[in-house]
Amino acid sequence: EIVLTQSPGTLSLSPGERATLSCRASQSVSGSSLAWYQQKPGQAPRLLIHGTSSRATGIPDRFSGSGSGTDFTLTISRLEPEDFAVYYCQHYGNSPLYTFGQGTKLEIK
Amino acid sequence: EVQLLESGGDFIQPGGSLRLSCVVSGFSFSNYAMNWVRQAPGKGLEWVAGISSTGGSTHYAESVRGRFTISRDNSKKTLYLRLSTLTAEDTAIYYCAKDDRRTNWALDSWGQGTLVTVSS
Repeated sequence: EIVLTQSPGTLSLSPGERATLSCRASQSVSGSSLAWYQQKPGQAPRLLIHGTSSRATGIPDRFSGSGSGTDFTLTISRLEPEDFAVYYCQHYGNSPLYTFGQGTKLEIK
Repeated sequence: EVQLLESGGDFIQPGGSLRLSCVVSGFSFSNYAMNWVRQAPGKGLEWVAGISSTGGSTHYAESVRGRFTISRDNSKKTLYLRLSTLTAEDTAIYYCAKDDRRTNWALDSWGQGTLVTVSS
């Protein structure tokens, strides 16, 4: 079973700054199976990135994904106030079908 | 507009059973695999179960296998999750979510969730 470890647990930044969130897999995974989600308090998760680097419909281009093998990154180029939330990486596999990282909380500094 | 609406969450005693429903609209339900994902209070996301578009194939997380049953009725555009032998560890918001090969099977649409609380 693949384990996804996200870092840092909490990231404190100011609007306008650049955010870099990390997701490390316990073994090499296909880039096509790596996704990122955003979740705000009281809301369902929202798909941001699929296939490591493809933005989902309606996602602003300040969100970008990269990586390969075991190391993947979500970058938010210039933080907007609405970007402060919890972010999860996710892997699609065989057993279990979906594995999520434990999340990174992006908070306002 | 794609919409998923869960219902059926409740306060239930340990050992009890419950059935959750997820009614969808805005897409061709019978063409898509569907999933249930849960989130315990203050915790992260945990995938629970998935079902193919026809219902012929199901998958479960180890933590719920043998206790939960996922099913669907394509004529009613409804996804179900039967929960049984519930424990406090099953307390969570349960989300239904659609996946799509066009997004590399990522979960591209989610409902708002329904809360299941297991407590004596």
